[in-house]
Order: sequence, then C-alpha cells, then structure tokens
Amino acid sequence: GAGVSQSPRYKVTKRGQDVALRCDPISGHVSLYWYRQALGQGPEFLTYFNYEAQQDKSGLPNDRFSAERPEGSISTLTIQRTEQRDSAMYRCASTLGATGELFFGEGSRLTVL
Amino acid sequence: QKEVEQNSGPLSVPEGAIASLNCTYSDRGSQSFFWYRQYSGKSPELIMFIYSNGDKEDGRFTAQLNKASQYVSLLIRDSQPSDSATYLCAADTGTASKLTFGTGTRLQVTL
Repeated sequence: GAGVSQSPRYKVTKRGQDVALRCDPISGHVSLYWYRQALGQGPEFLTYFNYEAQQDKSGLPNDRFSAERPEGSISTLTIQRTEQRDSAMYRCASTLGATGELFFGEGSRLTVL
Repeated sequence: QKEVEQNSGPLSVPEGAIASLNCTYSDRGSQSFFWYRQYSGKSPELIMFIYSNGDKEDGRFTAQLNKASQYVSLLIRDSQPSDSATYLCAADTGTASKLTFGTGTRLQVTL
C-alpha cells in the first residue's frame, strides 16, 4: 500500500478483555516496528521484526503483550487481559532498511475502561 | 536508562524568526540522531537526521550535533505558521530504527 495502515483506528474495551491491533506496512519494507505513545510523550519502543523474525521484544511491558508477523508482512500486536494502564496510542512503523527513517501509521488508539 | 531530554515548551516564535529546538542524550554509544515532526493528532514524520559532528542543512532546516556535549539541535529559519507542531528528537540505541524518543518540544509560530 501507499502508507502504513493500522486497524482498528479506535478500540474501546473493558478491562480483562483481549485486543488485537493490526499493522500492514509499506509494501517491500523489511522491518516493522511497534511503538506506544502516551499523550504528551514521545513514542516508546515495544518490539520489531525483520521479515518474519522478531528481532527484539525488550520493550514489551510484560508477558500480556505479544506480537507476530508470520509471513513477513502484516503484523499483529496482541494484548491479553487488558488493564487501564494499557490505554495509549499504539503506532506501527516500517522501514526499508536500517536507516532510522521510520514511516509511521496513523496509530490505533486503545482505551481500556 | 538511556534518555533523550527535551524541553516540552511551548516555544513561541514570531513568523519569519528562527526557531531553535534543543535536545540532550545520555547514551554516548548513540551514533545517529533524528528529528521528527508531529502535528497534533497525526503521526510523526522524519524531517532531518544527522550522524556526524557539525551542521547539516536541508532547506530551512539545520540540524546540529555535538557528540562531546551530547547535544543535538534543530534550527528552523524563516518560521512559518505551518511549522507549528511538536518536534521529537530521537537517538539510535545501537540498533538502527530502534529509537529512543524525547518527549517532544511544542513549537508555536505566531502571526
């Protein structure tokens, strides 16, 4: 696609429910990153993939968070047993190579009630 | 904890003036530094990157890096109202594109 596409754009869920956030990167981009951005803060690294391999998941807050990219394209970030503190904007970004030029999607805003 | 520090602002400058945005970083191992612009309600977009000490110019934008002082800055000449946004400074962590971002400085360009 022309840009990084994320869905859903908005998700409201109740505490304890599982949520899945989807990211479709720019076609041909090898690397895919997940960041989380709280209001008034900069993006915070969560995890990233080169092709289908998860290279680094050190930013995932705890084991309720997981991510996959099984075919090296679309990625899913899953949050199990959501808590109110999980409420944030979840941003996906992709890049062609190791340049630091991240192309961000519009984000998925998660609200946990 | 590897940190990137920015003054949150807002920094207010009149139209046509030079806006100076500053950033410091704690990890001496960082090699690459990035400035992203984020309009309200939108996603960040890269405007400049710099790897070497000194200045790097791109149109109205100049990035400056001083590794000895662990200091990065962004100058915007002839500021326009359309430059009003939050500017995020980011440093690499040894893995390209795994960036540590600052909290951002909000710039307001007034008419």
